[in-house]
Amino acid sequence: GAGVSQSPRYKVAKRGQDVALRCDPISGHVSLFWYQQALGQGPEFLTYFQNEAQLDKSGLPSDRFFAERPEGSVSTLKIQRTQQEDSAVYLCASSVQGADGYTFGSGTRLTVV
Amino acid sequence: QQPVQSPQAVILREGEDAVINCSSSKALYSVHWYRQKHGEAPVFLMILLKGGEQKGHEKISASFNEKKQQSSLYLTASQLSYSGTYFCGTEREAQGAQKLVFGQGTRLTINP
Repeated sequence: GAGVSQSPRYKVAKRGQDVALRCDPISGHVSLFWYQQALGQGPEFLTYFQNEAQLDKSGLPSDRFFAERPEGSVSTLKIQRTQQEDSAVYLCASSVQGADGYTFGSGTRLTVV
Repeated sequence: QQPVQSPQAVILREGEDAVINCSSSKALYSVHWYRQKHGEAPVFLMILLKGGEQKGHEKISASFNEKKQQSSLYLTASQLSYSGTYFCGTEREAQGAQKLVFGQGTRLTINP
């Protein structure tokens, strides 16, 4: 596609519910990143994939967060047993490997009630 | 090791100039600059690599001082469309992956 596509655009989850957020990167982009952005803050790194390999998951806040990219294209970020502190915008970005900028998706705004 | 941006916010009149700074306490390999409008995705502006290179994009340019681990974004003759929050993202040396650590942002408001 022309850009990075994320779905859903908005998600309201009851505390304790599991959610799955989808990211469809630009075709051919090797690198894929997930970031969490709280209101008024800069994006915070969660995890990074190069093709299907998850090379860095140091930013995942807890073992309730899990990400995958099984075929090296679409990625899913899963949050189990959501908590109120998980409320944020989750941004996905992709890039061609090398000294390139990221192309961000519009994000998924997660609200846990 | 989040980079520090300054100022946190700036208000300008259309046509005025602005400088946004980004500082890191760690050795950097590259600095990225992004602009984000409310409710939208961050948009890539430019990347500066280790080497003190200065880059330009329309009336927006940036520099990277490797010795000081600082980057500055220059906006000249600002336009209304320049309004938004500007983020620098830094990539540290010897980190391998392209993981960026973003600053807290600088909110730029351009008034007519």
